[in-house]
Amino acid sequence: EIVMTQSPATLSVSPGERATLSCRASQSVNSNLAWYQQKPGQAPRLLFYGASARATGIPARFSGSGSGTEFTLTISSLQSEDFALYYCQQYNNWPLTFGGGTKVEIK
Amino acid sequence: EVQLLESGGGLVQPGGSLRLSCAASGFSFSSYDMTWVRQAPGKGLEWVSAISGSAYSTFYADSVKGRFTISRDNSKNTVYLQMNSLRAEDTAVYHCAKRISSGWTDYWGQGTLVTVSS
Repeated sequence: EIVMTQSPATLSVSPGERATLSCRASQSVNSNLAWYQQKPGQAPRLLFYGASARATGIPARFSGSGSGTEFTLTISSLQSEDFALYYCQQYNNWPLTFGGGTKVEIK
Repeated sequence: EVQLLESGGGLVQPGGSLRLSCAASGFSFSSYDMTWVRQAPGKGLEWVSAISGSAYSTFYADSVKGRFTISRDNSKNTVYLQMNSLRAEDTAVYHCAKRISSGWTDYWGQGTLVTVSS
């Protein structure tokens, strides 16, 4: 099983600042990585697939990068609606696995 | 508009069974893999099971293998998760999700809560 490790667990950021979230895979997943955003009481929302392809309707302030075992989600200027939980998921191998999540909170 | 509506959750005793359903609309159901993902209270996401569009292939997490069975009825645009021998650690919100073939999940349902407790 591929283990996905996200860091940090919690990120405290002021509105307007940049946020950088990391996701590491225990072995290469090529570019077969997705990022999801989840707000309390809501279903997860797809942000990126293929590590860097933005999903429909996702603002340009969000960017995804990386390949192999190291991936990054960057939010260039945090807006109030961006404070949420973020998960990465690899879909290169069965079983599909998620990272433990990063909570982006208001500083 | 893609819609996924789960049902069938509830309170069940340890060792009991439940069948979850997920009714899909807004896309060509039989053309897509479907998955179930769960989230225990206050915890992260855990992939549970997946089924191909034709139902030919199914996949399970080790934690549910032998206890859960995924199936689908393409004539009813519905995917199911039969859960047997339920344990306390199966307590979670269960989401169904549409999966791009061999890829990512692009739409998720709101989920249905399963509570396993005596």
